[in-house]
Amino acid sequence: QVQLQESGPGLMKPSETLSLTCAVAGDSINTFYWNWIRQSPGKGLEWIGYIYYSGSTNYNPSLKGRVSISLDTSRNQFSLKVNSVTAADTAVYYCAAGVLTGYYSPYHYYMAVWGKGTTVTVSS
Amino acid sequence: DIQMTQSPSSLSASIGDRVTITCRASQSISTYLHWYQQKPGQGPKLLIYAASGLQSGVPSRFSGSGSGTDFTLTISSLQPEDFATYYCQQSYTTLITFGQGTRLEIK
Repeated sequence: QVQLQESGPGLMKPSETLSLTCAVAGDSINTFYWNWIRQSPGKGLEWIGYIYYSGSTNYNPSLKGRVSISLDTSRNQFSLKVNSVTAADTAVYYCAAGVLTGYYSPYHYYMAVWGKGTTVTVSS
Repeated sequence: DIQMTQSPSSLSASIGDRVTITCRASQSISTYLHWYQQKPGQGPKLLIYAASGLQSGVPSRFSGSGSGTDFTLTISSLQPEDFATYYCQQSYTTLITFGQGTRLEIK
């Protein structure tokens, strides 16, 4: 069973770049789609994007231009960067292992395993 | 974006009760609908995929149904560990979206 563990800075100042890492244990990084999702009281659960082992990515258009997700297969981990953070980026950030089934769009795409989450607070 | 609306937002029930949570999509999404359970301090846990598929390891008292725009998650006999918040999620579009959650509390 795959296990995920997020790590990150906790407290940040506006305009800084947020960097989070998710360590993957118990399965090959080639198996799933690797996602970042955040949860805030005001916006609920918000999908940020994913990366596949092939390098293909897909991002939420509302965040596109500020976010990037990368994969480090040698360390079995993947990362999220969010540029120019504001208070609106304050949230609990989760990494999740996504499963995609189907031969053509639309696909069944769901998060089979989630990490415990890491809290990020943006405040001056 | 496809909007997912859950009802009720919160629900009080007793051990042994049968509980139904509803999720409505702003447009038809066939069966591209999945359900999660979240307990305080934890990440969500997948319960149901593709509207009615029971995830491995999830108790059979959980079931899902529906197609198109209206979906339900049913817990046939509430157990103490079922008190949590439940979310639906659609994958009909590449921009996946979640419902706002239904908090299930002990009566």
